[in-house]
This record gives sequence, C-alpha cells and structure tokens, in this order.
Amino acid sequence: EDQVTQSPEALRLQEGESSSLNCSYTVSGLRGLFWYRQDPGKGPEFLFTLYSAGEEKEKERLKATLTKKESFLHITAPKPEDSATYLCAVQVRGGATNKLIFGTGTLLAVQP
Amino acid sequence: DTEVTQTPKHLVMGMTNKKSLKCEQHMGHRAMYWYKQKAKKPPELMFVYSYEKLSINESVPSRFSPECPNSSLLNLHLHALQPEDSALYLCASSHGTRTGEAFFGQGTRLTVV
Repeated sequence: EDQVTQSPEALRLQEGESSSLNCSYTVSGLRGLFWYRQDPGKGPEFLFTLYSAGEEKEKERLKATLTKKESFLHITAPKPEDSATYLCAVQVRGGATNKLIFGTGTLLAVQP
Repeated sequence: DTEVTQTPKHLVMGMTNKKSLKCEQHMGHRAMYWYKQKAKKPPELMFVYSYEKLSINESVPSRFSPECPNSSLLNLHLHALQPEDSALYLCASSHGTRTGEAFFGQGTRLTVV
C-alpha cells in the first residue's frame, strides 16, 4: 500500500535556527513529490515539485531535496513568518489520473 | 497567475438545506479536484474531473454531488449533510491529468448545524 509519512509532527525553532523536515514514502512508483505550505484555515500553497532522486529546488530560505526513499525540506535561518504546516504529497505511477497522497504534515512554529 | 477562486469562504447550513460550493480557475488546467480537510489532518481526495468528466470518486456519500459545467468551473452540491461533514472543502486544479503540481484555492469552511 502506498504510504507517506512526515516527521516530526511538530517542530519549534528559534528565529535563525536552521532545521530539516522529513517526508518518507513507500510507493509502487514515484511520479512526483510535492511540498506545500498551509496556513491555518487556508488552502495549501504550492512550494516545490521534485521528480527524480538527486534533484534539489530552492526558494528563499527553503530547499527541498529528494532521494529514492525520502525528501527533506531544509529551512535556513527561519523567520516567524515561516510558521505554518508543511505538507508533502506524492503522485504515484500507473494511475490514469493525477492523484496526490498527502502526508500528515509538520507543524512548524518559529519564535522570535 | 496560479489562482483558484472558491466561494463562499464560509458557509453554515442546516441538515435539511441544499447549498452549493463553487470553484473557478482560468489557468487552462484540464484537471480539477475536490478535497475535504478536517482539523489537523491532511486533505483527503473526494473527486477528480479530467477534461470535464468525472474520473475519480473516492467512495464519497451521495449527499455530495459534483458538477463540472465547463473547463473553468467546478461545483459541489450539498444536500442532507451531517454535522460530521463540517470541514474545510478545498478545490484544486492542475495542468495535466496525469502529472504536475496541483494549485489549491483558499477553501470553504463549512459548518453543518
């Protein structure tokens, strides 16, 4: 069965304290892995798409990497405005239609 | 422009009411989705429309009825809902029907009383 697991469930950082969020997956064949940011009561905001092992994407203080079993979202020198829930989702090969399997998310709190 | 627009933002309805949620995108995307999200949980897929045809129904109860009038619009008709259906309902769209990132709207916060 296809599965996506995120860790930790919650993470509290001081402003400027860098860290990483993990997304591990067990799927029959990965078509793509996506990172989203979600603020309370809002829809998920697209951040990155990764398609193959070794791929990396960067945006401001965020950097996403992908291996054959997991993805990391690295947050460098975070600011309070980076506080949100970070969701990863995978898209599985073989499906006739685009279907995302979401992980349970990591709730990030950055304190000033 | 990566905007998906959902209306209304908030909705309170009784268990005997009929209401509709609306979603619109003008990005030329050919796949559109409805997701349901409960508090502190990830989004759960409900329906997928591909080229205006329903391609996935994740065993959703018939009190939820999707409709795709054209390639830019997606509706979710609600009837005889239960309090446990209260959630954030999210619409999303993607360019391709087999791959590519999905862009989400801001959601409709639904409360069933």
